[in-house]
Amino acid sequence: AQKVTQAQTEISVVEKEDVTLDCVYETRDTTYYLFWYKQPPSGELVFLIRRNSFDEQNEISGRYSWNFQKSTSSFNFTITASQVVDSAVYFCALSEASGGYQKVTFGIGTKLQVIP
Amino acid sequence: EAQVTQNPRYLITVTGKKLTVTCSQNMNHEYMSWYRQDPGLGLRQIYYSMNVEVTDKGDVPEGYKVSRKEKRNFPLILESPSPNQTSLYFCASSDRDSAGNTIYFGEGSWLTVV
Repeated sequence: AQKVTQAQTEISVVEKEDVTLDCVYETRDTTYYLFWYKQPPSGELVFLIRRNSFDEQNEISGRYSWNFQKSTSSFNFTITASQVVDSAVYFCALSEASGGYQKVTFGIGTKLQVIP
Repeated sequence: EAQVTQNPRYLITVTGKKLTVTCSQNMNHEYMSWYRQDPGLGLRQIYYSMNVEVTDKGDVPEGYKVSRKEKRNFPLILESPSPNQTSLYFCASSDRDSAGNTIYFGEGSWLTVV
C-alpha cells in the first residue's frame, strides 16, 4: 500500500528565513509520481510540482526547490527567503497507476506560518 | 479554461437533511473523484469514477453516494448527513491513463452539519 508521511504538522519561521518541508513516501511500484500542492487560507489547492520516479534531478523554481532522493524515499520542498505569502498548508502526494486509474495518496499536510 | 466547478461552495445544513454537492468538469476527463479534508488527516478519497456508470469506493465511503450518468458530472450525495461529515470537500478530475496526469481540483466545498 502506498503511504505519504509529512512528519512536520506545523512550522513557524520568520520572514526571509529558509524552510524545508519534509515528505517521505512508501510504494511498491517502480513507476510513480510525486506532487506538491499549496493550500492558502482561501482553501483552494494550487499545484506546485510533479516529479516522476525516473527523474531524480532536483528542481528549482524561483524561491522554491525540490530535492528528490529515491534512496531515502523522500521528496523534500525548500522555500528560500520565505515571505508572508508563503503561509499555507502544503501537501505532498504520491500517485500510482493502479488497475488502470490514477491512485493518489496525500500526506496530512504541513502548515507553514511565516511571521513578518 | 480548464475547470472543475463545485457547488455549493459553502453550506450549513442540519442532521438528516439530504444534500447534494455538484461537480462538473469541462475537460472531457474520464476519471473523477471526491476527497474530504480534515485537520490532521489530510485529503482522503471518498469515491472515484473511471468513466460513465463506473464508480467505486475510495478510502472513506461510508455515508456517501455518488453517480456518474454523464462524463462531465460527478455529484456527491449525502443521504442523511451527520455532524462527522462536517468537512472541506474537493472534487477532482484527470485523464485516467497515467499516474502522472495533472489532477485538476475544484475550489472546495465547506460543509457544516449541525
